Amino acid sequence: GAVVSQHPSWVICKSGTSVKIECRSLDFQATTMFWYRQFPKQSLMLMATSNEGSKATYEQGVEKDKFLINHASLTLSTLTVTSAHPEDSSFYICSASDNMNTEAFFGQGTRLTVV
Amino acid sequence: GNSVTQMEGPVTLSEEAFLTINCTYTATGYPSLFWYVQYPGEGLQLLLKATKADDKGSNKGFEATYRKETTSFHLEKGSVQVSDSAVYFCARTFFGNEKLTFGTGTRLTIIP
Repeated sequence: GAVVSQHPSWVICKSGTSVKIECRSLDFQATTMFWYRQFPKQSLMLMATSNEGSKATYEQGVEKDKFLINHASLTLSTLTVTSAHPEDSSFYICSASDNMNTEAFFGQGTRLTVV
Repeated sequence: GNSVTQMEGPVTLSEEAFLTINCTYTATGYPSLFWYVQYPGEGLQLLLKATKADDKGSNKGFEATYRKETTSFHLEKGSVQVSDSAVYFCARTFFGNEKLTFGTGTRLTIIP
């Protein structure tokens, strides 16, 4: 299957700082990327959907000014957690689709810990 | 609303045991159903899928049948191996829409 690379795989940051997470499709053009968040022992929750070259669509309850998503090219989307707080500590995972079929391919996820 | 409910884990089985992980969904319309697997330290991988009622998805010895009458998509494997130890997620979407709704995941551990 297609490969999606997410970086970093884990990060620790101080409260008040911003953290950027990258999601890259390595061997296909990702017209759509999805960002999910997973709390311990809970399901993955969709945060936002981004289409290349346009603004992301955020799910209800997700602060767009807090979680900045950029999808500037067909192979890269970034999620920036701004002014991070300990409650933002979570597992963030992206997926990417070329819109040619119903399968989206996932990155390996990023474990964010805010101290 | 639209949701996916799956068996809570963790599940621990001996090698060669029979596995069932239950999954039910509530949805209007005609969802596609998926099982994803997450091995330690890796991202989610699609294990199998079914796009319409009575379809059976299968891969690596795992099977799941799309049962519209019971709104279920239970995952089964006849003889599990240690290498099957992972977290399994049931998920659904709608045709042509890659937005996925996931269950909570079931951690499976297989002991030799």
